[in-house]
Amino acid sequence: DIQMTQSPSTLSASVGDSVTITCRASQGISDWLAWYQQKPGKAPKLLIYRASILEGGVPSRFSGNESGTEFTLTINSLQPDDFATYYCQEYNHWTFGQGTKVEIK
Amino acid sequence: QLQLQESGPGLVKPSETLSLTCNVSGDSISNGHYWGWIRQPPGKGLEWIASTAYSGSTYYNESLRSRATISVDTSKNQLSLKLTSVTASDTAVYFCARHMTSLYVAEYLQYWGQGTLVTVSS
Repeated sequence: DIQMTQSPSTLSASVGDSVTITCRASQGISDWLAWYQQKPGKAPKLLIYRASILEGGVPSRFSGNESGTEFTLTINSLQPDDFATYYCQEYNHWTFGQGTKVEIK
Repeated sequence: QLQLQESGPGLVKPSETLSLTCNVSGDSISNGHYWGWIRQPPGKGLEWIASTAYSGSTYYNESLRSRATISVDTSKNQLSLKLTSVTASDTAVYFCARHMTSLYVAEYLQYWGQGTLVTVSS
């Protein structure tokens, strides 16, 4: 089975900061990785697919990158609406990372 | 506009079978897309359960394969999930979702329902 190791589990930041979340796959997954944002009591929302392609309507301050089996989600200039939990997911077998909660410092 | 709406019993007793449905509107469940179930225990992360497509393959999370059955009902345009022999660890919000599907391959989860909470308790 493919394991997805996401870090950090919690990230404290301020409005305007840039933050990066990392996801490492236990084996090669090509670029079959998606990022989701979830707010309390809501369904996850797709942000990025194919490691770096923004879903329609997602602000350009979100970006994804890939380097081998390491994937990153960067949020530039954090906005109040960005404080949420973020999950990566590989879609060879649809395994999620453990999630990263981005909270207000 | 695609809409997914989960429904379920809310409360299930241990050892019983959990049955969920996902009503699909704005799209035909038999149009070739893959559809899936994902769950999230209270305060915890997301876990993919299973995915299927009408006239397509069916995939299960190996940890749940022996207890889960996913199916589509084209007459009702619904996706269903049955999970047998439930325990307290099956307490979760259950989401249905539609995969992005290309060349008959299920990719990422593009559209999600709002989820329904199922509690397993006597």
